[in-house]
Amino acid sequence: TQLLEQSPQFLSIQEGENLTVYCNSSSVFSSLQWYRQEPGEGPVLLVTVVTGGEVKKLKRLTFQFGDARKDSSLHITAAQPGDTGLYLCAGYNQGGKLIFGQGTELSVKP
Amino acid sequence: SQTIHQWPATLVQPVGSPLSLECTVEGTSNPNLYWYRQAAGRGLQLLFYSVGIGQISSEVPQNLSASRPQDRQFILSSKKLLLSDSGFYLCAWTRTGFYGYTFGSGTRLTVV
Repeated sequence: TQLLEQSPQFLSIQEGENLTVYCNSSSVFSSLQWYRQEPGEGPVLLVTVVTGGEVKKLKRLTFQFGDARKDSSLHITAAQPGDTGLYLCAGYNQGGKLIFGQGTELSVKP
Repeated sequence: SQTIHQWPATLVQPVGSPLSLECTVEGTSNPNLYWYRQAAGRGLQLLFYSVGIGQISSEVPQNLSASRPQDRQFILSSKKLLLSDSGFYLCAWTRTGFYGYTFGSGTRLTVV
């Protein structure tokens, strides 16, 4: 069974700090996606990484796909309260269905 | 542009009562449609998916069923709700060949 494990599960930091969220698996994924979800809303796609070693930037967010395509990371520089939310990584399993990690709940305090 | 609508936003139902949640997509045709459940604001569990009218695949055995009576309409149902059916239900769509899913705003179901 393909699983995606995220760490840490909870993260509480002060505004201006940097942070990294990890998404790991023992299986190879053809691509990985990152979503951000606010309370009471559906997840919103942030980025898809496809190529091993790929790095994508979205303003202060940097996403990296591992060389072996088994892991990914999300780095936020100078976090702001607006970054608060649940960050989910997701990938397609062997059956072609999108599976999700358990999420990292980020709280950025002003 | 494409939009996805999901309703109701919140629902409180007694144990043993029926359930019907509706999801519609606008601005596209022949979407792939999905129902997910999210417990305690954590990871999402895929419940059902559909690649066409009348075509439903179930990912986990449960007290729920799904139907797709029209191309852009996806319905989640139950004949008799259980306490364990409580959760946050999300509808999503994508097109074959696309990477990302677009999610609706969800339905918070509380079974009492």
